[in-house]
Amino acid sequence: EAGVAQSPRYKIIEKRQSVAFWCNPISGHATLYWYQQILGQGPKLLIQFQNNGVVDDSQLPKDRFSAERLKGVDSTLKIQPAKLEDSAVYLCASSPRGNSGRGADTQYFGPGTRLTVL
Amino acid sequence: GIQVEQSPPDLILQEGANSTLRCNFSDSVNNLQWFHQNPWGQLINLFYIPSGTKQNGRLSATTVATERYSLLYISSSQTTDSGVYFCAVDLTGTASKLTFGTGTRLQVTL
Repeated sequence: EAGVAQSPRYKIIEKRQSVAFWCNPISGHATLYWYQQILGQGPKLLIQFQNNGVVDDSQLPKDRFSAERLKGVDSTLKIQPAKLEDSAVYLCASSPRGNSGRGADTQYFGPGTRLTVL
Repeated sequence: GIQVEQSPPDLILQEGANSTLRCNFSDSVNNLQWFHQNPWGQLINLFYIPSGTKQNGRLSATTVATERYSLLYISSSQTTDSGVYFCAVDLTGTASKLTFGTGTRLQVTL
């Protein structure tokens, strides 16, 4: 079974530029997550999708970050315009059961996209 | 929000040694997971363990939910165990909104 795929793996941009990341979850997984991991810290949830609907985006800086999951499969995360403090690894994860009310389930992570903002 | 603290922050072991990593959390949780992030950044789920004890090879984990802590045991450590170990908790019980701890960085030397 293929894992969570992400691209690009690395991206370097200048501040105020735009950038987009792509994620393809494990086939059949209902829930998709985007996390931001700043160097030396644990991942922080930015947004969670259940199929193609947003479950939680309370920690997404909506003035500059946006995300979509068209057709309930792959997803893109965009930053416009980027700031220096956006330098981080952006992780995508997926889980099979999603918001079923039966309790949380295992999340599977992709390799991440390392963003450097100069 | 919930606080998740891990100890020790850093650990250096010789190959073959055993270790115990601890995760303390400030509120009742419905989900607790342990992850290993390897030196290349890949996060691997080790255990889903909201309570009780589980074992997988040289690794085992115990969560005492009533006392709000979890322990990860690594026995006969190998160099491939190096990396950062995170525990992550979820309060909700209906959706997997994980809050990650501060991490324990483990280095296993020959």
